[in-house]
Amino acid sequence: AQSVSQHNHHVILSEAASLELGCNYSYGGTVNLFWYVQYPGQHLQLLLKYFSGDPLVKGIKGFEAEFIKSKFSFNLRKPSVQWSDTAEYFCAVKTYNTDKLIFGTGTRLQVFP
Amino acid sequence: EAGVAQSPRYKIIEKRQSVAFWCNPISGHATLYWYQQILGQGPKLLIQFQNNGVVDDSQLPKDRFSAERLKGVDSTLKIQPAKLEDSAVYLCASSLVTGTSADTQYFGPGTRLTVL
Repeated sequence: AQSVSQHNHHVILSEAASLELGCNYSYGGTVNLFWYVQYPGQHLQLLLKYFSGDPLVKGIKGFEAEFIKSKFSFNLRKPSVQWSDTAEYFCAVKTYNTDKLIFGTGTRLQVFP
Repeated sequence: EAGVAQSPRYKIIEKRQSVAFWCNPISGHATLYWYQQILGQGPKLLIQFQNNGVVDDSQLPKDRFSAERLKGVDSTLKIQPAKLEDSAVYLCASSLVTGTSADTQYFGPGTRLTVL
């Protein structure tokens, strides 16, 4: 069965620090990849997604993610975090022929001013 | 554009009681999903509808959970009887089409259920 691993459960950073959150999936076929974010008290929102083409995907609020097929990874990055980036981040995978999203367990990011 | 609406936002019940959650998807979205998110875990798909038909209910505990989507718009998810382990946030999501890789799922605010 497909699975998604997010190894960082809780990340604490100061403002202006760089961010990288890891995401690895287990599935040998074609995948679509997503990062969702949940700000405190808000619902899950799409941050960015990869379907095909350029493996470096840019999303909202300065976030980007790189799909490395050989490593089954889709890590999320931001060069300089802000206090407002404090949230929970979920990586999700969808196999090419289904609509079923498989989520990782999430990474809680806390950014201190 | 209005988002996915869910009610109630919070519900506390005792074990063995029944409970129902309601979801109104984004207008025009053919596909509707119910997810269960237990504390400390990512959302897990319970059931997927396309219009008013079930596409995937393989992870729905059918002995106690049921869901329907009458007229292909609103949907209700019911638990009867509830168990302690059903305490979770129940998320509803919708997407415009199904079977299309490029489609995005939009999530509602969720219903937080506590079973005592």
